[in-house]
Amino acid sequence: DGGITQSPKYLFRKEGQNVTLSCEQNLNHDAMYWYRQDPGQGLRLIYYSQIVNDFQKGDIAEGYSVSREKKESFPLTVTSAQKNPTAFYLCASSILANSNQPQHFGDGTRLSIL
Amino acid sequence: QKEVEQNSGPLSVPEGAIASLNCTYSDRGSQSFFWYRQYSGKSPELIMSIYSNGDKEDGRFTAQLNKASQYVSLLIRDSQPSDSATYLCAVKGRSAGNMLTFGGGTRLMVKP
Repeated sequence: DGGITQSPKYLFRKEGQNVTLSCEQNLNHDAMYWYRQDPGQGLRLIYYSQIVNDFQKGDIAEGYSVSREKKESFPLTVTSAQKNPTAFYLCASSILANSNQPQHFGDGTRLSIL
Repeated sequence: QKEVEQNSGPLSVPEGAIASLNCTYSDRGSQSFFWYRQYSGKSPELIMSIYSNGDKEDGRFTAQLNKASQYVSLLIRDSQPSDSATYLCAVKGRSAGNMLTFGGGTRLMVKP
């Protein structure tokens, strides 16, 4: 089945710890995105990548890092510098960033602080 | 001023009624408009896209776009309890590398 797979579904972070959220897609999409959603809020863009080995900061990149070594994969690391990491993290992809094509989402990872 | 604005609701409608969800946006150069449905605890699911002025119908859903008024809406006919969810409006504009900007969402409750 084609789609976007995020793992794990739930993640707990200890203080001072970095954690990495996985996002894999087999849709052959060029662009991938990471969003954060806080309770009762819309989505805010953390990072996006339009091609392999290139990525750009979104609106709330501080405390996060990403890599795009393969077209299929766009992992997000939540570093210890992110003081309020508790949120629902959503990965999305689209055929091309600069097109009218919509973004499609994975099932999300819910991150909490221990 | 937020770039994409939605009334947070909740919007409560009886089963079988028409639900009308509204969204305004600030970037006049915006080209693409999307409606996503998000059930509680789940990820957003695309339900409609619209790119030109006027109406676009897909089953019980109709998206309406008025670029002059910078307004996009979603109508849900014959609302069902299963339509109860948060509806997110997303706009792709000229700014920020043509990224999507999301509204805060409108929570819809359809009562049997």
